[in-house]
Amino acid sequence: NAGVTQTPKFRVLKTGQSMTLLCAQDMNHEYMYWYRQDPGMGLRLIHYSVGEGTTAKGEVPDGYNVSRLKKQNFLLGLESAAPSQTSVYFCASSYEPGAFTDTQYFGPGTRLTVL
Amino acid sequence: AQSVTQPDIHITVSEGASLELRCNYSYGATPYLFWYVQSPGQGLQLLLKYFSGDTLVQGIKGFEAEFKRSQSSFNLRKPSVHWSDAAEYFCAVVTGGYQKVTFGTGTKLQVIP
Repeated sequence: NAGVTQTPKFRVLKTGQSMTLLCAQDMNHEYMYWYRQDPGMGLRLIHYSVGEGTTAKGEVPDGYNVSRLKKQNFLLGLESAAPSQTSVYFCASSYEPGAFTDTQYFGPGTRLTVL
Repeated sequence: AQSVTQPDIHITVSEGASLELRCNYSYGATPYLFWYVQSPGQGLQLLLKYFSGDTLVQGIKGFEAEFKRSQSSFNLRKPSVHWSDAAEYFCAVVTGGYQKVTFGTGTKLQVIP
């Protein structure tokens, strides 16, 4: 049982490049989330998904897109990377349908630098 | 709008000493409250959570937290800190019909021998 995994672990992009971060979970969880973590700002929710084929905006969605084509995977895309998107990105998942109140299980993070 | 405040950015304690990390929230009703811990280079792990009932909640690794409605606080405590407790600790609240989660900015704990 791998839990929540994230690919890649590190990435350096140039401004304007695009990339996709992959999150996978093997716990059959309904909810999945993407956060970014910046120094002094805690975690901020980018997008989330309440089930396969559904996505919703979080607190800071601009500049990101997501897709959940399969229940176990949640992809985060940056179409045109900007230096302001330099951050550590965390994926999380939780089981209970219909609420954020269930325990979230986090992946190890992806450190992204945009030059 | 809801908010979560962790007033201490960094705390240093001696191994074996007691610990209290502060968390205050701003919200009209009682939110769902969480404490997570993040070890260096790792994702977050749930320590404990409070939904209702007994206001003193026990968690993993010997941690506990007390919900105080009158103070809008949910402080995390441990009676005797171990060197392995060195990490960053995040308080989080869920509100808005349980569709909104807000994390605090974190408190980094250093444990000295």
